[in-house]
Amino acid sequence: DTAVSQTPKYLVTQMGNDKSIKCEQNLGHDTMYWYKQDSKKFLKIMFSYNNKELIINETVPNRFSPKSPDKAHLNLHINSLELGDSAVYFCASSPPGQINYGYTFGSGTRLTVV
Amino acid sequence: GIQVEQSPPDLILQEGANSTLRCNFSDSVNNLQWFHQNPWGQLINLFYIPSGTKQNGRLSATTVATERYSLLYISSSQTTDSGVYFCAVPTSGTYKYIFGTGTRLKVLA
Repeated sequence: DTAVSQTPKYLVTQMGNDKSIKCEQNLGHDTMYWYKQDSKKFLKIMFSYNNKELIINETVPNRFSPKSPDKAHLNLHINSLELGDSAVYFCASSPPGQINYGYTFGSGTRLTVV
Repeated sequence: GIQVEQSPPDLILQEGANSTLRCNFSDSVNNLQWFHQNPWGQLINLFYIPSGTKQNGRLSATTVATERYSLLYISSSQTTDSGVYFCAVPTSGTYKYIFGTGTRLKVLA
């Protein structure tokens, strides 16, 4: 069973479109995250939710909006996509208090905006 | 904010060689993680090591929090060790992990 699953794995779309990426974890973790990895492999946090509550909201365009319907799911919606949004987006989760095990990442969603 | 630097940025090894990757951070931390991103892009958690030494097979990690660095040792490297190795530390008092710039490792057969 996949611990942190993201869909879709690949997403190719035109500028100006709106798209969503879904993430689900079956680890019973309380905290979930979205990270963006650029073409130089640099990983930067975007958002984090703890038990459906937004706890980290980095300086990202407001075209990006996370939603957490329950603690096992964290989705990312992107409006009016731009060329610069092309990247790999990773979802991750961690157990309460970050003790012992740290992050578990999903397999990533490669977004290409054309 | 906290700065995280990794060295070397790139490393090429012959299969069977040993290597040490370093992670320096600019502020006190109470947690640290090492990750391996394989050539297919998957990020795998290798170690959660706020202090001390841990070993897992051919890999081991040591964190000296008081001196603000961590080391990842790879012994008897294999081609499957190729990829990018990241360390990550949290901003004080938060869940927000800052990632280093990574070490790109290529192991040649």
